[in-house]
Amino acid sequence: GEDVEQSLFLSVREGDSSVINCTYTDSSSTYLYWYKQEPGAGLQLLTYIFSNMDMKQDQRLTVLLNKKDKHLSLRIADTQTGDSAIYFCAEILNQAGTALIFGKGTTLSVSS
Amino acid sequence: EAGVAQSPRYKIIEKRQSVAFWCNPISGHATLYWYQQILGQGPKLLIQFQNNGVVDDSQLPKDRFSAERLKGVDSTLKIQPAKLEDSAVYLCASSLDRATGELFFGEGSRLTVL
Repeated sequence: GEDVEQSLFLSVREGDSSVINCTYTDSSSTYLYWYKQEPGAGLQLLTYIFSNMDMKQDQRLTVLLNKKDKHLSLRIADTQTGDSAIYFCAEILNQAGTALIFGKGTTLSVSS
Repeated sequence: EAGVAQSPRYKIIEKRQSVAFWCNPISGHATLYWYQQILGQGPKLLIQFQNNGVVDDSQLPKDRFSAERLKGVDSTLKIQPAKLEDSAVYLCASSLDRATGELFFGEGSRLTVL
């Protein structure tokens, strides 16, 4: 039972940057993922990073990967109230290579 | 493109009763997953299908949970008999792109066991 670890809560003011951190378990994971879950909804893929990269930028989102420390982070620039949600870090679970194991999620609260 | 459809959205039952959840994946997606999400936790994989074959059911409590995917499209997840600790949201997901592993989730079926 390996666990993907995340901090549980983050509170920021609108316009600030948010940084959500994750520690994963399998150094051979090909891809690492960030999913977003809004209240009452299923999870939605935000972004992913290939394991041979150390950074990926996509508009307001920046993903940093430190393979040596098995550390993944998600930075949201200019955080908006609409970014309030639960953010899940995920890695590949099984040999089939497609099922994911998720962390417990970080609840991001954005105040105006 | 229609998303992953699930029903019912909400279900309340008493312990020891049975319940079934239905999922219709995105058209053309060969892989289908059932996840259990207990309040305050991340989703946990229960079972993964590739077409109508089971790829991984190692975390499915087989004494009470069963799932099938006849004809490789729709799937049902059944719990019989239900326990209090089965209260959770049951999420269905499907995927197409094996390389990137993007999963598309339904809105989930929320089960409350009293």
